[in-house]
Amino acid sequence: EDQVTQSPEALRLQEGESSSLNCSYTVSGLRGLFWYRQDPGKGPEFLFTLYSAGEEKEKERLKATLTKKESFLHITAPKPEDSATYLCAVQDNYGQNFVFGPGTRLSVLP
Amino acid sequence: SAVISQKPSRDICQRGTSLTIQCQVDSQVTMMFWYRQQPGQSLTLIATANQGSEATYESGFVIDKFPISRPNLTFSTLTVSNMSPEDSSIYLCSVRAGVSYNEQFFGPGTRLTVL
Repeated sequence: EDQVTQSPEALRLQEGESSSLNCSYTVSGLRGLFWYRQDPGKGPEFLFTLYSAGEEKEKERLKATLTKKESFLHITAPKPEDSATYLCAVQDNYGQNFVFGPGTRLSVLP
Repeated sequence: SAVISQKPSRDICQRGTSLTIQCQVDSQVTMMFWYRQQPGQSLTLIATANQGSEATYESGFVIDKFPISRPNLTFSTLTVSNMSPEDSSIYLCSVRAGVSYNEQFFGPGTRLTVL
C-alpha cells in the first residue's frame, strides 16, 4: 500500500530563514510525486511534479528535489506570503489515485 | 491548467438532511474526482466520476451515502446523504490536466458543518 509521510508537522521560520520540508514515500513503482500549497479555506494549488530520482524543479523561492525514497521542498529566504500548508502526494504506476501526505504547516514571521 | 468552481462554498446543515455540492470546470475533462478533507487532516479520495458511467468509490465510501452525478464533461455533483456530525469536512472537486494528465487541479472546496 502506498504511503506518504511529511515532516515536520509544523514549522515556524523568520522571514529570510531558509529551510526544507521533507516528504517520505513508499510506493510500488513511482509514476509521479507532486507538491501542493494550500491556503486556509482554499483548495490545494499545484506547485510541482517530479518523475524520477535526481530531478529538480524550481519556482521562485521554492525548489523541489526527489530521491528514491523522499522528496524535499527547499524554501530559500521565505517571506510571510509563503505561509501555508504544503502537501505532498504520490501516484503509482498501477492506480489512478493520488495518495496525499498529512502536510507541513509553514508559518513565516515578519 | 483548469479553473474549477464549486457551490456552495460553505453550508451548515442539520443531522439527517442531505446536501448536494456542484462542481463546474472551464474545460472538458474525462475524469473528475471528489475528495474529503476532515479538520486538520489531509485529502482522502471519495470517488472518481467518469462521464457516462457509474462512479468508482474508494474503500470506506458507498454510493448510498455519497451519490455522484456526471451528466457531461464539465460538471459533476456530489451529494452527502443522511448527514451526521462526522460528515463535517471540506469537500473538494478535482480534475487532471497537463500534457500527461498528471497535474491535478482542485476547486476551492465546500466547507460543510453538520450540527
